Amino acid sequence: GAVVSQHPSWVICKSGTSVKIECRSLDFQATTMFWYRQFPKQSLMLMATSNEGSKATYEQGVEKDKFLINHASLTLSTLTVTSAHPEDSSFYICSARDPRSFTEAFFGQGTRLTVV
Amino acid sequence: SQQGEEDPQALSIQEGENATMNCSYKTSINNLQWYRQNSGRGLVHLILIRSNEREKHSGRLRVTLDTSKKSSSLLITASRAADTASYFCARETSYDKVIFGPGTSLSVIP
Repeated sequence: GAVVSQHPSWVICKSGTSVKIECRSLDFQATTMFWYRQFPKQSLMLMATSNEGSKATYEQGVEKDKFLINHASLTLSTLTVTSAHPEDSSFYICSARDPRSFTEAFFGQGTRLTVV
Repeated sequence: SQQGEEDPQALSIQEGENATMNCSYKTSINNLQWYRQNSGRGLVHLILIRSNEREKHSGRLRVTLDTSKKSSSLLITASRAADTASYFCARETSYDKVIFGPGTSLSVIP
């Protein structure tokens, strides 16, 4: 079946540095992908919609300049957390939908980011 | 708020009992999905129920959807210790966005 792969699965970085997370659709093309963030013991919060070839659409309260999203190809979206701070430590998950079928959205394995 | 409501927030039952979790939402949906998440891990898709469906089964899982009440329920029968996890309902809107509910933390005691 369709698979969405996310990399890395975990990352530790220093405050002030930037971290890039990749989300790939492995056997389908996705014009739209979604990025979520999950803090411990909380639900997934939609951060932004990644649109291939155009600007991402951010949910209210999400800083565009801090969470840079690039969707340069139909199988890859990247989320870059810029100038990371400890409060950015979270679980980040992407999802994509196979446009060829009316199935559920597929989620990546998630990336656990720890900023020290 | 993205999330709608889910109840209970936490549920603790004995192994072998049934567990019921409820989800309510406010906007129209294309479909509603239920996911499981073990602590600190990725999501496991359980069931998708479309807006024109009322009930769906998968193994020990039963999901109902009442679009007039904008609510859904997930029933896990004959629960097992391995069912211990967080369960989320997630509604898909007309824009293909999937919005998650706050979730229910289920503990099944052996």
